[in-house]
Amino acid sequence: EAGVVQSPRYKIIEKKQPVAFWCNPISGHNTLYWYLQNLGQGPELLIRYENEEAVDDSQLPKDRFSAERLKGVDSTLKIQPAELGDSAVYLCASSLDSGTSGYNEQFFGPGTRLTVL
Amino acid sequence: AQSVSQHNHHVILSEAASLELGCNYSYGGTVNLFWYVQYPGQHLQLLLKYFSGDPLVKGIKGFEAEFIKSKFSFNLRKPSVQWSDTAEYFCAVGRMDSSYKLIFGSGTRLLVRP
Repeated sequence: EAGVVQSPRYKIIEKKQPVAFWCNPISGHNTLYWYLQNLGQGPELLIRYENEEAVDDSQLPKDRFSAERLKGVDSTLKIQPAELGDSAVYLCASSLDSGTSGYNEQFFGPGTRLTVL
Repeated sequence: AQSVSQHNHHVILSEAASLELGCNYSYGGTVNLFWYVQYPGQHLQLLLKYFSGDPLVKGIKGFEAEFIKSKFSFNLRKPSVQWSDTAEYFCAVGRMDSSYKLIFGSGTRLLVRP
């Protein structure tokens, strides 16, 4: 079974440029998560999708970040314009569902390492 | 606000030494507890988890963790580490309420010397 796929794996851009990250979750997983991981820190949730609905985007900086999950499968996270402080690893994860009545393991992708110059 | 603390940021051990990594959290409600591991060049993967029942849980590769509710702790242990255990370890807490999500600690980098 294929895991969570993310692309690109690495991205270097200049500040003020736009950037987009793509995630393909594990087949059949309804819940998709985007996390931000700064150097020396643990992942922090940016947004959580249940199918195509963003059910928790409270930590997403909406002035420059946006995300979509069309058709409830693949997802794209965009930053426009990027700032120096956005340099980090952006992780995508998926689970069968969010586990509000129990728990479903979150499976993580390899991440996209963004460097903003 | 809920937080997860991992007190050891870097740990260096020799092979066969015993390991204990500390994890404390600040949420008073019902929680699920997890340890994730990230081997060099690989993605995060689940090492073990606690939902309820026996507070001593066993995971993959000989790891175990003990939930001590009174101390809000979920420490990770392994009696004898191997060089292949070199990785970064993250403790995470999931709140069992309507805003279910994982809160991660800052991680502990473990280096095991052969």
